[in-house]
Amino acid sequence: SQTIHQWPATLVQPVGSPLSLECTVEGTSNPNLYWYRQAAGRGLQLLFYSVGIGQISSEVPQNLSASRPQDRQFILSSKKLLLSDSGFYLCAWSVQVRDYGYTFGSGTRLTVV
Amino acid sequence: GESVGLHLPTLSVQEGDNSIINCAYSNSASDYFIWYKQESGKGPQFIIDIRSNMDKRQGQRVTVLLNKTVKHLSLQIAATQPGDSAVYFCAENYGGSQGNLIFGKGTKLSVKP
Repeated sequence: SQTIHQWPATLVQPVGSPLSLECTVEGTSNPNLYWYRQAAGRGLQLLFYSVGIGQISSEVPQNLSASRPQDRQFILSSKKLLLSDSGFYLCAWSVQVRDYGYTFGSGTRLTVV
Repeated sequence: GESVGLHLPTLSVQEGDNSIINCAYSNSASDYFIWYKQESGKGPQFIIDIRSNMDKRQGQRVTVLLNKTVKHLSLQIAATQPGDSAVYFCAENYGGSQGNLIFGKGTKLSVKP
């Protein structure tokens, strides 16, 4: 069966520090991968998605970047975090979006202090 | 989309009552829809989906209704339980298997014992 792993679960980082969040998927090949951000009590904001290795589409201009170095690995990064980068970050995957849509990871709660 | 910055609307129901959560979707070409449940601190989880060739689909204690004429989707939860307390998101797809999901703004359901 397919599983998605996202870590760390929580992270507290000072302003100006770098960020690296990792997401890996097991049990499937060539998935579409997504990074979402969710502010407290708010909706889901699509940040990046990828349809293949090295292919990244950015939805929102921001202080973040994404990379896909391997088929089932998706990384969210920042060189210098801002206070506004705080939030709940979710990774998701899909193969056939019309078969149950996306499967989400458990999320990373990032607090920038 | 633009709604991600808005606070989530809240629906409060008594335990045992039926809940109805509504969603207005944006694109008349959308032909696949999903409801997700997101519990506090977790990633969204698939509840039920419906394709545009149907106007109703039932699951365990949940029913999704689709009205394409007015671009409206609803989720009915029968005999609401405390464990149903969560944020519920609708999502639409109009790009076929290669298209992305577009998420609605979400509704927070609170169940009073």
